[in-house]
Amino acid sequence: QQQVKQSPQSLIVQKGGISIINCAYENTAFDYFPWYQQFPGKGPALLIAIRPDVSEKKEGRFTISFNKSAKQFSLHIMDSQPGDSATYFCAASGRSNTGKLIFGQGTTLQVKP
Amino acid sequence: DTGVSQNPRHKITKRGQNVTFRCDPISEHNRLYWYRQTLGQGPEFLTYFQNEAQLEKSRLLSDRFSAERPKGSFSTLEIQRTEQGDSAMYLCASSLSGAGETQYFGPGTRLLVL
Repeated sequence: QQQVKQSPQSLIVQKGGISIINCAYENTAFDYFPWYQQFPGKGPALLIAIRPDVSEKKEGRFTISFNKSAKQFSLHIMDSQPGDSATYFCAASGRSNTGKLIFGQGTTLQVKP
Repeated sequence: DTGVSQNPRHKITKRGQNVTFRCDPISEHNRLYWYRQTLGQGPEFLTYFQNEAQLEKSRLLSDRFSAERPKGSFSTLEIQRTEQGDSAMYLCASSLSGAGETQYFGPGTRLLVL
């Protein structure tokens, strides 16, 4: 019930391509779904987040698509750049559980020049 | 905005020793979280403070772990009698309640137990 499942584990994309990372959850009490980007040796940094009242949110080259009925959400990175090479984590939390984040297992993205 | 800071950034210790980590959250943030991250995994929740009150502890937090936030500002995480399995990155995050729940993470403390 508390798990967030993320796929793929790793992803290689050519520069300029689209990177897509998927997450699925089970707990219907979750109402906040952020994506974090983490570079080696650094803490996670918030990239973009969505709530279930919208199906899509876009910020620059990053878009979250959210499917409430399927309990799935995904991150799309358009025009992927080598500087996007990092590990990406989806997460979920609900107001009822103190705001603690439940993270997916992570996706290591490599963007080839 | 100085962000969340953590000290030390790296710690190497021998099994059985005690270690203490410090987290300084963003100054006006009343919520503080500790997470643990092992290699190749996502962060796992350890404990949560609202102001000085510790409101939730994960089952991951064994009796050897203790956390405090004495004045509702900085927090410390202590591990007693360290074990090799404690080797991980310990991350601190802070947020402001009622402000969208965005958690801002520090750079982490990497612990290696020999």
